[in-house]
Amino acid sequence: KAGVTQTPRYLIKTRGQQVTLSCSPISGHRSVSWYQQTPGQGLQFLFEYFSETQRNKGNFPGRFSGRQFSNSRSEMNVSTLELGDSALYLCASSLWQGRTDTQYFGPGTRLTVL
Amino acid sequence: AQTVTQSQPEMSVQEAETVTLSCTYDTSESDYYLFWYKQPPSRQMILVIRQEAYKQQNATENRFSVNFQKAAKSFSLKISDSQLGDAAMYFCAYRKTDSGGGADGLTFGKGTHLIIQP
Repeated sequence: KAGVTQTPRYLIKTRGQQVTLSCSPISGHRSVSWYQQTPGQGLQFLFEYFSETQRNKGNFPGRFSGRQFSNSRSEMNVSTLELGDSALYLCASSLWQGRTDTQYFGPGTRLTVL
Repeated sequence: AQTVTQSQPEMSVQEAETVTLSCTYDTSESDYYLFWYKQPPSRQMILVIRQEAYKQQNATENRFSVNFQKAAKSFSLKISDSQLGDAAMYFCAYRKTDSGGGADGLTFGKGTHLIIQP
């Protein structure tokens, strides 16, 4: 079974631009979560989607948004990019059979903001 | 809010020896899950082992085992017979049980960089 895929793998943007990252979960997985990883703040939870609905959201500004499609694929968008948004963005999918499912991660998208 | 602390920024071990990585956490919840993930230089986050808080038995996965002390809020990872491929950043993570109303995402520690000496 194919793992979680993320596109693109690398991205370079300039301040003020917006960016969209894509994540395809493991086949059959309906929950997708997004995380930001930076050297200073470590790994931080952005949001989780299940059945096209945002279930949970971390403590990030409204510039960070996401959505999930009917095929469970998810996108996250960052508007008005700031230098501090440079990070590795990780997507994780889980089956979500109730209680807590194990999250399986994709390879990440490395975003550099100049 | 829950927190996860990994007090060892870096650990080094000789190949074939055993190493233990420490993790403590703070939560007011009684029902939760704990995880260890490894992140090699490729940056791919890989699940190592998972522990359900309601289970007293410590989880094991081949050469990897945990020492889960719920009262002490401690969750250490033991790697036996260390191999060169075990070299990576290891992250301890916590997530409260999702009772249907949703649960916050994983809360991660800062990580421990494990070096394997040949």
